Amino acid sequence: DGGITQSPKYLFRKEGQNVTLSCEQNLNHDAMYWYRQDPGQGLRLIYYSQIVNDFQKGDIAEGYSVSREKKESFPLTVTSAQKNPTAFYLCASSISPQFTIYFGEGSWLTVV
Amino acid sequence: GIQVEQSPPDLILQEGANSTLRCNFSDSVNNLQWFHQNPWGQLINLFYIPSGTKQNGRLSATTVATERYSLLYISSSQTTDSGVYFCAVDNQAGTALIFGKGTTLSVSS
Repeated sequence: DGGITQSPKYLFRKEGQNVTLSCEQNLNHDAMYWYRQDPGQGLRLIYYSQIVNDFQKGDIAEGYSVSREKKESFPLTVTSAQKNPTAFYLCASSISPQFTIYFGEGSWLTVV
Repeated sequence: GIQVEQSPPDLILQEGANSTLRCNFSDSVNNLQWFHQNPWGQLINLFYIPSGTKQNGRLSATTVATERYSLLYISSSQTTDSGVYFCAVDNQAGTALIFGKGTTLSVSS
């Protein structure tokens, strides 16, 4: 089935550790995105990529890093520099930014 | 940057009732989408509607781009309609979507 796969679904991290969230899509979409959602809040844009080997910072990129080495993959690393990383992370993709966007099922990250 | 405001923030309905959700945005847009987030966190795209009117079953949406607002109508609501409804518009560069804070809908039987 075509879609966007995020893993892991749940992740616990100790303070000071980096963690990487995986996002894979088989929709042949050029554009991919990472959003963060806090309880009772909307989605905030972390990073986005319109093509392979290119990505741009969103509104809250500090403490995060990404790579786009393959069209189908857009992993997000939450670094120890992110002061409040506990949140729900959503990956999305679209043919291009001006078309319908589709989301993965999300990853819950908790700092313990 | 562009601002997206949704109202009301919360809505409680009895099954079978109708409702209207509103999305105001502060600048002209080329892309506007409505999403439903279910209680498990999954976001489903409902409409791609930068202008005009669309209908899909009990749901319909209208965007008046010149007046910078969009409306989502839900008719004959069902308990499965519960969740959070988000409106999102493209940022000024047209490279990504900016989301409102959502309307939380609770439908009881």
